[in-house]
Amino acid sequence: GDSVTQMEGPVTLSEEAFLTINCTYTATGYPSLFWYVQYPGEGLQLLLKATKADDKGSNKGFEATYRKETTSFHLEKGSVQVSDSAVYFCALIPDTGANSKLTFGKGITLSVRP
Amino acid sequence: DGGITQSPKYLFRKEGQNVTLSCEQNLNHDAMYWYRQDPGQGLRLIYYSQIVNDFQKGDIAEGYSVSREKKESFPLTVTSAQKNPTAFYLCAHRAAGVRTAQHFGDGTRLSIL
Repeated sequence: GDSVTQMEGPVTLSEEAFLTINCTYTATGYPSLFWYVQYPGEGLQLLLKATKADDKGSNKGFEATYRKETTSFHLEKGSVQVSDSAVYFCALIPDTGANSKLTFGKGITLSVRP
Repeated sequence: DGGITQSPKYLFRKEGQNVTLSCEQNLNHDAMYWYRQDPGQGLRLIYYSQIVNDFQKGDIAEGYSVSREKKESFPLTVTSAQKNPTAFYLCAHRAAGVRTAQHFGDGTRLSIL
């Protein structure tokens, strides 16, 4: 079945450091890929998405590129802020129909120190 | 609020009691979902509904029940059969289409007294 694998966490960075959070997936065809962010005590917010190979999703300084050849969708940000401290989830929806379910990775906690 | 409202934000349940979590959306979307999140873990799908008066079990439906009598509402009941109900519950909706994202409410945190 479909699956999403995220790197082990937690991750702790200093403010203005470069961020990479790895995400790889297993799915047939061309799934749509998503990154969600969850701030403490809140629900999940859609951060960015990509729906076909080589697409780059971007939002709030975060970027991720859909790499079909490596089945990856790594999240990057050039300079993190304390306010980026949150849990980040990678997810996919397969391209097998409108009723497909979302498959999540386990999430990774990011802490940014001032 | 992303067009979806969950209430209450905090809920307490006594042993042997059923409780109902509310989820309402105002975007006229057909698809709605309920997830459970435990500390330090990912999301697990409880139930989902693609259309009014129809719903399907997710991965951990035992001890839960839902209804979908109206398009905008998808309440979740945590029954007394759910022996470990303490968790953060998230509701989501999704627009029609193969490649659309799910959008989540702010969640309800359920605790046992």
